[in-house]
Amino acid sequence: NAGVMQNPRHLVRRRGQEARLRCSPMKGHSHVYWYRQLPEEGLKFMVYLQKENIIDESGMPKERFSAEFPKEGPSILRIQQVVRGDSAAYFCASSLGTTGRAFFGQGTRLTVV
Amino acid sequence: EDQVTQSPEALRLQEGESSSLNCSYTVSGLRGLFWYRQDPGKGPEFLFTLYSAGEEKEKERLKATLTKKESFLHITAPKPEDSATYLCAVQAGPNQAGTALIFGKGTTLSVSS
Repeated sequence: NAGVMQNPRHLVRRRGQEARLRCSPMKGHSHVYWYRQLPEEGLKFMVYLQKENIIDESGMPKERFSAEFPKEGPSILRIQQVVRGDSAAYFCASSLGTTGRAFFGQGTRLTVV
Repeated sequence: EDQVTQSPEALRLQEGESSSLNCSYTVSGLRGLFWYRQDPGKGPEFLFTLYSAGEEKEKERLKATLTKKESFLHITAPKPEDSATYLCAVQAGPNQAGTALIFGKGTTLSVSS
C-alpha cells in the first residue's frame, strides 16, 4: 500500500518561471493538505482540498499560488512567476476523513535561482 | 490566535539519558494533538495522537502525555537512532476544517553514543 507520493522530489526554477508540484494521496484518501516549510520555521498550512473542491485556502498567498485536486489524477500546487522567497520544502498530506491522522509525503524541495 | 510552542529548540543527550520534550498550546476547540518525527530531508512520520487531557500513549522508548495546556514527549533511555526533529501539532476548530494542523517549530534531538 503506497504512501503519499510527491514529485518531483527536487525542483529548480529560475525567477519568473512556473513551478508545478504533484501529490498523489494514499489509496482511498479523499482529503489532501499542502504545507510549506521554510528554513528555520515550522510547517505552515496552505490549503485543504477534497476531490474537485477547495475547502480551506486560508494559508495560501493570495497571488501566484493555486491548488487543485481533480476528479482524476493527482493534486497540483502551482506557483506562477516564482521568486526567491518561494524556495522551501512543500509537503502534501492526506487523510481518510476529517479527523484522525494525516500521512505526509516526502516533500518537494523547490529552489528558485 | 491559535499557537503551538515547543521547547527546547534543541536537545543533546547521551545514550541512555532520559528526558522530556514540551509542547504548549493555545487553541480554541482542540480536536487532537499530534506528535510527528521528521528526519532530515524526509516528510513527517506519525507517532501519536492524543485527544483529551489525561490521555497517554506509548511506543517503544517514547511516551506522550496530554494536559489542558501542554503535552510532553518523554524519551526513556534514548538511542542514537532516536535523533531527529520532533514536531508537535494541534487540530482545532470545526470538523469542516478537516485535519489541517497547526505545527510548532520542533525540537531537534541529538543522541550520542
